[in-house]
Parts: sequence; C-alpha cells; structure tokens
Amino acid sequence: AQSVTQLDSHVSVSEGTPVLLRCNYSSSYSPSLFWYVQHPNKGLQLLLKYTSAATLVKGINGFEAEFKKSETSFHLTKPSAHMSDAAEYFCVVSRIQGAQKLVFGQGTRLTINP
Amino acid sequence: DTEVTQTPKHLVMGMTNKKSLKCEQHMGHRAMYWYKQKAKKPPELMFVYSYEKLSINESVPSRFSPECPNSSLLNLHLHALQPEDSALYLCASSQVGGTGEQYFGPGTRLTVT
Repeated sequence: AQSVTQLDSHVSVSEGTPVLLRCNYSSSYSPSLFWYVQHPNKGLQLLLKYTSAATLVKGINGFEAEFKKSETSFHLTKPSAHMSDAAEYFCVVSRIQGAQKLVFGQGTRLTINP
Repeated sequence: DTEVTQTPKHLVMGMTNKKSLKCEQHMGHRAMYWYKQKAKKPPELMFVYSYEKLSINESVPSRFSPECPNSSLLNLHLHALQPEDSALYLCASSQVGGTGEQYFGPGTRLTVT
C-alpha cells in the first residue's frame, strides 16, 4: 500500500527567504511522485513530477524537489519565497505505469510574511 | 493545451433540485475523474472513467450520477443532495498508463441549502 506524510501542516516564511516543504512516502512499488499547488478556491496545479529519471526535479515557478529513496523523502524547495507562493501544497504518490488512483498527503499551508 | 474546464464555477441548489456539473478537456486524455474536496482537506476520489467506461466508483451515494458522453466530456448529475454534500467538486484528466499525473480543472463550488 502507498501512503504520503507531509510533515508540516503549516509553514510560514518571510518573503525572499528559502522555502522547505517536507514529504515522506511509503510505496511497495517504484512510485511516481508529484507536488501540486492549490491557491484559495482554485483547482490543483501540477508543480513538478518524479518518474524514476533524474532524482532532482525542477518544476514551475522556481520550485524543485529531490527524490531520496534511502530516506523515502521528496521534499519541495524554493530558494526565495514570493508573496504569490502563498497557497496549499499537496505531495502525491501514484504507482508508476499510471495507476488511476493518486494518494494525497494532508497538505501544507504555506504563508509568506512581507 | 493543458486546460481542463468546468462549468458552472458556483452552484447553489436546494435539496429537491436536479442539477449537473460539466467538465471538458481537449488534451486527448482517455481517463477522467471526479473528486470532492472539503475545506482544508485533500481531494477525495469519487469516480474514474477510462475509455468512456466507469472503472472506479468509490462507494459514492446514488444521488451522484456520473456520465461520460464522449472522450472529451464528463458530467456529474446531482439529485436530492444533502447539505453535507456542499464542497468544491474537481474534475481531472490523465493519460491511461504513462506516468500518472492528473490535470485538474478549477472546480465547481457547490452549496446545498
């Protein structure tokens, strides 16, 4: 069975400082891993995906994530936070080969302080 | 084009009404999904269509009735809903097989009075 744990329900950073959102996963198979972002009252937008190619994955808006199999982690980072980054972030796992069920973490709310 | 569209954006309905939510994608995806999302929670899967056939029903009450008229369209028919059904309803699409990422629409905010 697969599961995802987002280690922080809320992260608050100052504008211009680094962002770290932590995610651990559990999977019996080689997983696909994703980060999605959701702004208030909006749909989910795919930020980036890991699918067994490079372990360091670059996404949109300056975000990147590193897949560490030994630590079963897939943390999301950004060097410098912007006010527009304030949103809910979901770490998601899917079985590779495109299983049609995604397993969502509980989400991390990112707040950016001016 | 990586866009999934949903209509309407907002819907208020009484418990005796019948209404429908609509979803459309033109990415050539052959899998489409309905999710329900309550405030401050992740989305919960309701239904999956693969090649226009219902492949997964997550034990959703029969007052929700999905329909996939063709490979680009997905509907969710609503009847006799309860106030606890108020939520954001999200549609998504993906390739069948592949790497599994799904593309989401902006959602319909449903309020049941």
